[in-house]
This record gives sequence, C-alpha cells and structure tokens, in this order.
Amino acid sequence: KNEVEQSPQNLTAQEGEFITINCSYSVGISALHWLQQHPGGGIVSLFMLSSGKKKHGRLIATINIQEKHSSLHITASHPRDSAVYICAVLNNNDMRFGAGTRLTVKP
Amino acid sequence: NAGVTQNPKFQVLKTGQSMTLQCAQDMNHNSMYWYRQDPGMGLRLIYYSASEGTTDKGEVPNGYNVSRLNKREFSLRLESAAPSQTSVYFCASRQSIGAHEQYFGPGTRLTVT
Repeated sequence: KNEVEQSPQNLTAQEGEFITINCSYSVGISALHWLQQHPGGGIVSLFMLSSGKKKHGRLIATINIQEKHSSLHITASHPRDSAVYICAVLNNNDMRFGAGTRLTVKP
Repeated sequence: NAGVTQNPKFQVLKTGQSMTLQCAQDMNHNSMYWYRQDPGMGLRLIYYSASEGTTDKGEVPNGYNVSRLNKREFSLRLESAAPSQTSVYFCASRQSIGAHEQYFGPGTRLTVT
C-alpha cells in the first residue's frame, strides 16, 4: 500500500463545478504539500500546510492531522485548472508523493 | 530569479551510454533533490543533498550518482544508461530541513533505447 493515496485518479468536470480531490497518508508528517503539474510538465507548489485550512483565490486546502487526510477544493472550476494535482507529505527531509489526480475541466 | 534550472530538457541515449543531468538554483537553498517521475507513479526520490558537501540516497538510487558541486549546483549522473531509466527527471530545492516550500525545475525527459 502506498504511503500517500489520492482519489480520484482521474476527474472530469464541467466548467463552473466545485471540485474536490482527496489525499490520505499513513505516515507521520511535518507538513503536506499540494502541487500542480500542467501538461507542459512543470510542477508548482500550490499550498503547504500542517494544520487547518488555507485559501488562495479559488483554491482551498484543508488538512485533518488526526485522520491523516487532506482535501483540495476548487470552486468555480475553469478549463485552465486542467492539470495533474499531486499531494506530497513531508517528514523531516523525506518527501513522499501521491500518484496524482488528473483533472480535466470542460468548457 | 531563474529559480531552479535544468539542462538538458530532452535527451535520447543508447543503452550503456553515460550522461550528466545538470541542476542549478539561485535561491540560496540548502537542500536539493533529484526525483524521477514515471507514468502512474508518484515522484520518487533518487538522491538528495541536505546541505553543501553532503549527499544521501533516496528511494531509488541504483544506477545513479550525484555531485553537490557547490551550494547552487547538484548534478545527477547515469554511468551506464539502461532502458529502465527512461523517465522524466526533476530537480528541486528547499530552504532547509523542515517544513518549507519546495521548488521544482522544469524537468528533463530522458529516453534510453
């Protein structure tokens, strides 16, 4: 079993829909990262969080340390949100990654 | 700031050939990392360098060597490339051990035939 599990693996939505991507992990962590990888391949960091909730524009990330679970929400989704979203957990200097969720938002 | 840069962006090698992937960062970060990304799998750590002068194995180090040339540069070497090393390689850097944001390079797409 992977240490970081994401669901769903693939997600197709219509423009404007509310999107939720889930991440569960089985190891102790000091922080959790949500990353975005566009079709061109580049990876950018969206959020780093160790408790509670963070919001940036239409993106919201939450984490429940007790349940070892995090969610990434996208409100009012747009075709430009189409990308692979990757959850990664950090423990000291060791970062472990989920396999990613491929999101396609159709106009 | 250029952030994290990688060279080359694409490379095709024949089995048995050697090559070095270059990575540099201009953010004065202490820690640098090399990952590989394969279809259907998460990024996997090959080697990392927590600080200048130190390197450590990650999850999948076999077939690779690294050099932390100075604080800015961290190179990954394939001494004898194998088809199993066909992958996309990402370099990343972070300020230090601990909960800091990690920055990724644009990736190197390597094909070994």
